[in-house]
Amino acid sequence: GAVVSQHPSRVICKSGTSVKIECRSLDFQATTMFWYRQFPKKSLMLMATSNEGSKATYEQGVEKDKFLINHASLTLSTLTVTSAHPEDSSFYICSATPGTGGFGYTFGSGTRLTVV
Amino acid sequence: AQSVTQLGSHVSVSEGALVLLRCNYSSSVPPYLFWYVQYPNQGLQLLLKYTSAATLVKGINGFEAEFKKSETSFHLTKPSAHMSDAAEYFCAVSGRNTDKLIFGTGTRLQVFP
Repeated sequence: GAVVSQHPSRVICKSGTSVKIECRSLDFQATTMFWYRQFPKKSLMLMATSNEGSKATYEQGVEKDKFLINHASLTLSTLTVTSAHPEDSSFYICSATPGTGGFGYTFGSGTRLTVV
Repeated sequence: AQSVTQLGSHVSVSEGALVLLRCNYSSSVPPYLFWYVQYPNQGLQLLLKYTSAATLVKGINGFEAEFKKSETSFHLTKPSAHMSDAAEYFCAVSGRNTDKLIFGTGTRLQVFP
């Protein structure tokens, strides 16, 4: 089945530094990748949608300059949290799909970011 | 615009009892509907999905869901709960002309021995 690898699974960083999270589709080409943020005991909030080779589309209220998304290839998308602050601490999850909704979505295992 | 509503943030059942997790959707176009399960500090695992074939969809781990257009529902059921079913369950919707997947607020299932 389709597999998405997300790395790192956990990261702790100091305030003011930047952190990069990678999301790779291992056995399929992901035309679209998504980044979600999940607060404790809450649902997943869609942050942005990225298509290979084009700029990401951010959801309302998500700062695109803080959360930089790059989708350089059909198998790799990265989320960089710039100038991280403690309030950016959260669980970030990526997902990928080879097409529109009927093809289904495969999720990464998530990244627990803690900013100290 | 699409959305899903999950009734009940917490559901508790005894081991061996019926599991019923409710999901109602809103969509201006024929939807695709999904149920995912999440264990602590992990990503999401697909249980099942509806993509306009059979309205009764069977998934993994003995779960199934029925698409009822008249009720705009896609409730998740399992005849007999197992301790390992304790987790967070999310219903999600996407449209046929969009690739966005929108989640409900989730239902935490507890299973008591």
